Amino acid sequence: GAGVSQSPSNKVTEKGKDVELRCDPISGHTALYWYRQSLGQGLEFLIYFQGNSAPDKSGLPSDRFSAERTGGSVSTLTIQRTQQEDSAVYLCASSPIPGQQNSNQPQHFGDGTRLSIL
Amino acid sequence: KQEVTQIPAALSVPEGENLVLNCSFTDSAIYNLQWFRQDPGKGLTSLLLIQSSQREQTSGRLNASLDKSSGRSTLYIAASQPGDSATYLCAVLNSSYKLIFGSGTRLLVRP
Repeated sequence: GAGVSQSPSNKVTEKGKDVELRCDPISGHTALYWYRQSLGQGLEFLIYFQGNSAPDKSGLPSDRFSAERTGGSVSTLTIQRTQQEDSAVYLCASSPIPGQQNSNQPQHFGDGTRLSIL
Repeated sequence: KQEVTQIPAALSVPEGENLVLNCSFTDSAIYNLQWFRQDPGKGLTSLLLIQSSQREQTSGRLNASLDKSSGRSTLYIAASQPGDSATYLCAVLNSSYKLIFGSGTRLLVRP
């Protein structure tokens, strides 16, 4: 596609429910990133995929958060037993090549999923 | 731990003014520094990327500089326009390939 696509654009759910957020990166982009943007917290890194593997999961806030990527393309971020503090905008980004060769390649961001936990 | 700070947090200027946004970072071991623009309810748009070996990058009315040794970057916007109103974010790509973001500068350009 023309850009990074995220769905849904908005999600409202009750505390304790599970949610799944989807990211379609730019075709051919090997690296995929998830970030969270909270009021008062700024943008924080969650997880990075190189192909289908995730070398760095250190940003996931708790074991309720998981992510996977299949076919080197679509990625899903799953939050189990949602809590009110999970309310935020979840942003996905992709770039052409991972690692050190990535240093001259900007990350391209989607418009995000705005998640609200009631 | 890498920390990125942006000053000022908010800025309001009349149309036509030249302005400078500041970014500082604590760890000079970076691959690059990027400036992004974010409009309300939208994702981030990459404006300029400066690799660690470079000193500056220019695109149209925008110029970004990087002084890695002092941990500073500036984004210069010439002849500002109301359409430049947005939040500007600075981020550094660290040795673990993570982008570490500042908290942003909210810019309002008044007609």
